[in-house]
Amino acid sequence: AQSVTQPDIHITVSEGASLELRCNYSYGATPYLFWYVQSPGQGLQLLLKYFSGDTLVQGIKGFEAEFKRSQSSFNLRKPSVHWSDAAEYFCAVVMNRDDKIIFGKGTRLHILP
Amino acid sequence: KAGVTQTPRYLIKTRGQQVTLSCSPISGHRSVSWYQQTPGQGLQFLFEYFSETQRNKGNFPGRFSGRQFSNSRSEMNVSTLELGDSALYLCASSLDPLARARDEQFFGPGTRLTVL
Repeated sequence: AQSVTQPDIHITVSEGASLELRCNYSYGATPYLFWYVQSPGQGLQLLLKYFSGDTLVQGIKGFEAEFKRSQSSFNLRKPSVHWSDAAEYFCAVVMNRDDKIIFGKGTRLHILP
Repeated sequence: KAGVTQTPRYLIKTRGQQVTLSCSPISGHRSVSWYQQTPGQGLQFLFEYFSETQRNKGNFPGRFSGRQFSNSRSEMNVSTLELGDSALYLCASSLDPLARARDEQFFGPGTRLTVL
């Protein structure tokens, strides 16, 4: 069955440090890929998405993600985190255009002052 | 433009009862999807409605049902509540499900259901 794996449940980084959150998927073809962020008590907000084309995509809040077909990965990065980035991050895929979205279990990001 | 609204925001019920949650999509959005979020299972897709028709359904028992009205507002119902139904229920709207993969889904803040 198709799946999305976020291997890190929790990640802690210092404010100003760089960040990389990992996401791997299992599927034969290239899916549609998304990263969402959820702040405490809030719904999900889309950070960025990849459908095709340039494998490095830019999103909101200074985030970017790189699609690597050979590794079935879609890792999220930010060069310098801010305290306000503390939240839970979800990677998600849609396998076919008419299919349901599948979410990873999420990575909770903690920021040290 | 107002965002996705969900009512109520918090709900406490006891086992065996039933509950109805409501979702109002962004104006002009015709697709509404429902998700259950729990610490153990994460975010799981419940179902999706478009033009008052269920288009997709996740792997949940028949106790979970939904519907969509002509104004695109949606409700989900859970009958015979179990302790394991305690969760955050999220609703998301988008313009057109056939373009869903290319359209952003806008999420509401969720309804926190506690079953005692």
